[in-house]
Amino acid sequence: QLQLQESGPGLVKPSETLSLTCTVSGGSISSSSYYWGWIRQPPGKGLEWIGSIYYSGSTYYNPSLKSRVTISVDTSKNQFSLKLSSVTAADTAVYYCARHGLANWGSPYYMDVWGKGTTVTVSS
Amino acid sequence: QSALTQPASVSGSPGQSITISCTGTSSDVGGYNYVSWYQQHPGKAPKLMIYDVSKRPSGVSNRFSGSKSGNTASLTISGLQAEDEADYYCCSYAGSSTLVFGGGTKLTVL
Repeated sequence: QLQLQESGPGLVKPSETLSLTCTVSGGSISSSSYYWGWIRQPPGKGLEWIGSIYYSGSTYYNPSLKSRVTISVDTSKNQFSLKLSSVTAADTAVYYCARHGLANWGSPYYMDVWGKGTTVTVSS
Repeated sequence: QSALTQPASVSGSPGQSITISCTGTSSDVGGYNYVSWYQQHPGKAPKLMIYDVSKRPSGVSNRFSGSKSGNTASLTISGLQAEDEADYYCCSYAGSSTLVFGGGTKLTVL
């Protein structure tokens, strides 16, 4: 059974870079049938799509975060990672990684397998 | 890219049916049949309930159904059960390989 697990620091200082990794087990991240993505949820608020990556390295980002986000993939480790730069308190959230099914033309679409999420707090 | 509009809360009694709306624009909900719905219980990760507007993943109860008309998608839950009490989020493809979520709806089973 496919499982996703987020890992990384739970506390990041303002202006620094948030770095998280998602480890995929029970399946291969190199499958041609899926994208892999990051979604976040600030405390008491709704979900926000951050961005997604294909095993080949093709990426798509939320336009509102694009200037600060980098998502990368390491197929040898079956992992993908998120870097969010210049963080502020507004970036405090639970960060989820997820597997995307594909739209007909191959773009990332629905999220059918999710990690449990990891809480990241931005504070000095 | 603005968030899709959902009612903040809905409620219903056990056995009843409720509908949650998700309103977007012709650039997202209205432009593609790529709307998905997620259920989230407190402290848990979201769970996919509907995709492609109206398709249910394996294992999701047929009490959950989805539809779309114009720029508004809807999730209907029939035969409400206590376990359905949760937050529900819609999500739509929004062009240029981007996704947009709704603000979420809290369902209370009375």
